[in-house]
Amino acid sequence: QKEVEQNSGPLSVPEGAIASLNCTYSDRGSQSFFWYRQYSGKSPELIMFIYSNGDKEDGRFTAQLNKASQYVSLLIRDSQPSDSATYLCAVTGGYNKLIFGAGTRLAVHP
Amino acid sequence: DGGITQSPKYLFRKEGQNVTLSCEQNLNHDAMYWYRQDPGQGLRLIYYSQIVNDFQKGDIAEGYSVSREKKESFPLTVTSAQKNPTAFYLCACTPALTNYGYTFGSGTRLTVV
Repeated sequence: QKEVEQNSGPLSVPEGAIASLNCTYSDRGSQSFFWYRQYSGKSPELIMFIYSNGDKEDGRFTAQLNKASQYVSLLIRDSQPSDSATYLCAVTGGYNKLIFGAGTRLAVHP
Repeated sequence: DGGITQSPKYLFRKEGQNVTLSCEQNLNHDAMYWYRQDPGQGLRLIYYSQIVNDFQKGDIAEGYSVSREKKESFPLTVTSAQKNPTAFYLCACTPALTNYGYTFGSGTRLTVV
């Protein structure tokens, strides 16, 4: 069974701090990795995707991938209360299927 | 504007009743997916379809059925055989040959009454 593991949280950070969200996956064959943000009662929205080892930056967000360690992370700089949501990690599982983790709940407090 | 639409937003089902959730997209994407989300859990794959008139079971297909008669449409039927159908149902699509991530619909919240 291919798995994606995330700490459920909540991860509580003060406004303006860096939030660090982590994800591990079991399938070494996974090629693509995604971070989605999901507000309560809403559908997930794509924040970032990453294919290659290393870092990928987009605004306040940085995705980091280490395929040897089967580890993906998302850093959110200058965290805002509007960033408070559940963050879902997803990896490809063949046929463009995505396997999702259970998500990490992030709470940014003023 | 292109997008993916799910309806209804809320649905109530009586015991023993079949219900159908609608999913329509005008993004011209080949692949479509149905996921189920329970509180505190990740998304679990129910069914997926890569092309018209073809679909495959996901991890939790029992008690569900789908059809893919048109590229734009991928309805999901929750049958009476699904014993615990209360959940948030999400439809998604993506171009078949690339994966830059799914586009999700807004979801249908199904409750058994």
